[in-house]
Formats: sequence, structure tokens, C-alpha cells
Amino acid sequence: KAGVTQTPRYLIKTRGQQVTLSCSPISGHRSVSWYQQTPGQGLQFLFEYFSETQRNKGNFPGRFSGRQFSNSRSEMNVSTLELGDSALYLCASSLASSSGEQFFGPGTRLTVL
Amino acid sequence: GEDVEQSLFLSVREGDSSVINCTYTDSSSTYLYWYKQEPGAGLQLLTYIFSNMDMKQDQRLTVLLNKKDKHLSLRIADTQTGDSAIYFCAESSGTGGFKTIFGAGTRLFVKA
Repeated sequence: KAGVTQTPRYLIKTRGQQVTLSCSPISGHRSVSWYQQTPGQGLQFLFEYFSETQRNKGNFPGRFSGRQFSNSRSEMNVSTLELGDSALYLCASSLASSSGEQFFGPGTRLTVL
Repeated sequence: GEDVEQSLFLSVREGDSSVINCTYTDSSSTYLYWYKQEPGAGLQLLTYIFSNMDMKQDQRLTVLLNKKDKHLSLRIADTQTGDSAIYFCAESSGTGGFKTIFGAGTRLFVKA
């Protein structure tokens, strides 16, 4: 069974640009969560989607948005990039909200210059 | 708000047991997790425990939960150099969807 995949793995952007990251969950998983990992702030929850609906949201500005498609694939978008958005963005999938197991992808490393 | 705390570093000798500790604040936590992250890699789920359990054992890993003190520990028996990594403690309420809160991670050094 394939794991969680994220594309692209690496990305370099400049300030003010926008970026879209993609996540394909494990087959059959309907919950997709996004996290930002930085050396200073650690792992922070961005948002979670289930059946195309955002169920939970972390404390991030509106520049960070996401969506989920009918096949459970998810995208997150960051607009008007800032230097501080440089981070490893991790996606995690889970079978359902009743399952405790959450599996992570390898992440997309975003560098903002 | 919810918070998860863990010590930042732990150094052990190969063959010894490692014990990584964690405390959390959210009394409504349903799931408590231990993840492992190696350099340049994503998070690997090692094990998790339901909040109504006291202990869970899985091969070399033993998780102990003291719900009264909101204290979670991970014991790695016969620690190997390949266990060197960052270990994250995390909690989630599991109701109404996931919102997993992570600790800062404990960097485990295993000396040969």
C-alpha cells in the first residue's frame, strides 16, 4: 500500500509569490491534515480536511488556505509569501476521525528568498 | 490552550534503555502519540495509546500513561545507534476531527 505522497519535495520561491502544495493520502483515507515545521516554532497544526470539508483550523493567517477534492487529495496554498514561511510542510492522512493512526508524508521543503 | 512539553536532549549508551518523558495539558486528549523523525525525513508513527489505557508494549517500545498527572513516557529497550533521532510526543482529542498538538521533540543520541 503506497504511503502519503507530497509534491513537490522541494520548492524555492521569492517574497510576495504564492505557492500550492499537494498531498495524496493513503488509499481509503479520508482525513488529511497539514502541519508546518520550523526550527523555531516546531510542528504547528495548520488545518484538517475530511470529505472535502475543513473541520479544524490552527492559528495561521488567512494567507494559508487549503482544500480537499472528492478523491481525498488535498492542496494547501500560501499567498503573498513571507521569509518566515520557509519551512517543512507536512501532510498526514488518517482513515477516519475515529482512528488514532495518523500517517505522515515526507514533506515539502519550502524556501522563501 | 493545549500544550505538550518534553525535554530537548537525551544521551544513552548503546544497549541501555532510553526513557523519553512528556507532559501535556489537555485533559480531553483521546490519543497520545510518539513519532520518530530522522534527519531529512518525515514523521514516522512509532506507537500511540488511547487515554483510557495505562500501558502499551510493542516489541522494544513501552508506553506508560499517567492520566492523573498528564504524563506520558516512551521506553526504548536495548537502544541501538539506529534509534538516534528526534522523538515527538503529541496529543489529539480525536473528536470532531484531528488537531494534533506536538511537543518540541527530544533529540536522542545513542553512543556506541
